[in-house]
Amino acid sequence: AQSVTQLDSQVPVFEEAPVELRCNYSSSVSVYLFWYVQYPNQGLQLLLKYLSGSTLVKGINGFEAEFNKSQTSFHLRKPSVHISDTAEYFCAVSYAGNNRKLIWGLGTSLAVNP
Amino acid sequence: DVKVTQSSRYLVKRTGEKVFLECVQDMDHENMFWYRQDPGLGLRLIYFSYDVKMKEKGDIPEGYSVSREKKERFSLILESASTNQTSMYLCASSAYGGQGNEQFFGPGTRLTVL
Repeated sequence: AQSVTQLDSQVPVFEEAPVELRCNYSSSVSVYLFWYVQYPNQGLQLLLKYLSGSTLVKGINGFEAEFNKSQTSFHLRKPSVHISDTAEYFCAVSYAGNNRKLIWGLGTSLAVNP
Repeated sequence: DVKVTQSSRYLVKRTGEKVFLECVQDMDHENMFWYRQDPGLGLRLIYFSYDVKMKEKGDIPEGYSVSREKKERFSLILESASTNQTSMYLCASSAYGGQGNEQFFGPGTRLTVL
């Protein structure tokens, strides 16, 4: 079955430190990959996406992610986090042949402490 | 700017009441989705619709129904609300095959059933 695993449910980090949120997906020939962010009591907004081309994808708010096909991973990184990055982060995958739905990870709660 | 709106941000209902949650998108998207979000369980798909009057069950359809009479509007109905339906409800939309099935989200409705 198609699945997405976010390896950490909670990530605490100090302000200005680097952070990596990890995402793995079950193998498939062709995938599209997404990271969404959800601030408290809000809906989800797109951080970045990989559709094709360069495996390093840059998104909003200084985040970037790297698509690694051999390791079926799409980890999210930021070199220096701010208090305002405290939020829930979701990884999602769309598989070729499934033209409608996204498969979601369970989310990673990022807590940035002063 | 793309927009998905939901009829209420917060809603309090009593057990046994019939509850309507409304979602409207202005992007002419074919696909619309209803999710529920609970701590530790991520986003779970309740129903989705791929065209007017067309719908498919998601992972947790029990206790819910949906209606899509117009392309821009997708309603979630709780026929007889129960306390275990207290949750955050998120609506999303996407274009068929567009941008890897990227979904656009509304702000969410936090429903409390007493």
